[in-house]
Amino acid sequence: ETGVTQTPRHLVMGMTNKKSLKCEQHLGHNAMYWYKQSAKKPLELMFVYSLEERVENNSVPSRFSPECPNSSHLFLHLHTLQPEDSALYLCASSQYGVWVTGSYNEQFFGPGTRLTVL
Amino acid sequence: GNSVTQMEGPVTLSEEAFLTINCTYTATGYPSLFWYVQYPGEGLQLLLKATKADDKGSNKGFEATYRKETTSFHLEKGSVQVSDSAVYFCALREEGAQKLVFGQGTRLTINP
Repeated sequence: ETGVTQTPRHLVMGMTNKKSLKCEQHLGHNAMYWYKQSAKKPLELMFVYSLEERVENNSVPSRFSPECPNSSHLFLHLHTLQPEDSALYLCASSQYGVWVTGSYNEQFFGPGTRLTVL
Repeated sequence: GNSVTQMEGPVTLSEEAFLTINCTYTATGYPSLFWYVQYPGEGLQLLLKATKADDKGSNKGFEATYRKETTSFHLEKGSVQVSDSAVYFCALREEGAQKLVFGQGTRLTINP
């Protein structure tokens, strides 16, 4: 496997189910991200992990629970979701560090998990 | 706060047509600007970037110039191909920050 992989690619769940999304990066990066992509809305950053510590949480409801056991893996645990949570969930990774003016540590994205909540 | 506004889609063009997708931004300081592309069934890929005013990013025939005076970063291509059909996202990153702020995306369809 290369790049950033996500499983499953598609998930249908009821509001009372518990499920988890998995992301794995094979790029040697030390930062990972979860984004939510809804129809006709900008990409929303949900969580950022750097060196396995959460560094940003953008007011995401507690029914979404991230976990980063190591720098290569990122999970998003889901429970008691609502139909409006149906979206494409994208994972990304990058190298996080001291910034040099003009430099950019590109974020590499996975293909996403298409989630449908019934 | 920072924000990015893209032209509403969808945009439909014929092959070999000229493409412009407008992008304007609101930011404090001196952000870096990006265009990402998302092909069907795939994640986002960085298409091009510009890190300071008057920089021109280019890749695969696409170009965008960082215009600080108009706070814009419009994407252009002189002759589009069917394979350019995708969703295009404009984004900014504040100087020294890690977080990307995205526009809502513009779906582009190129007909043969």
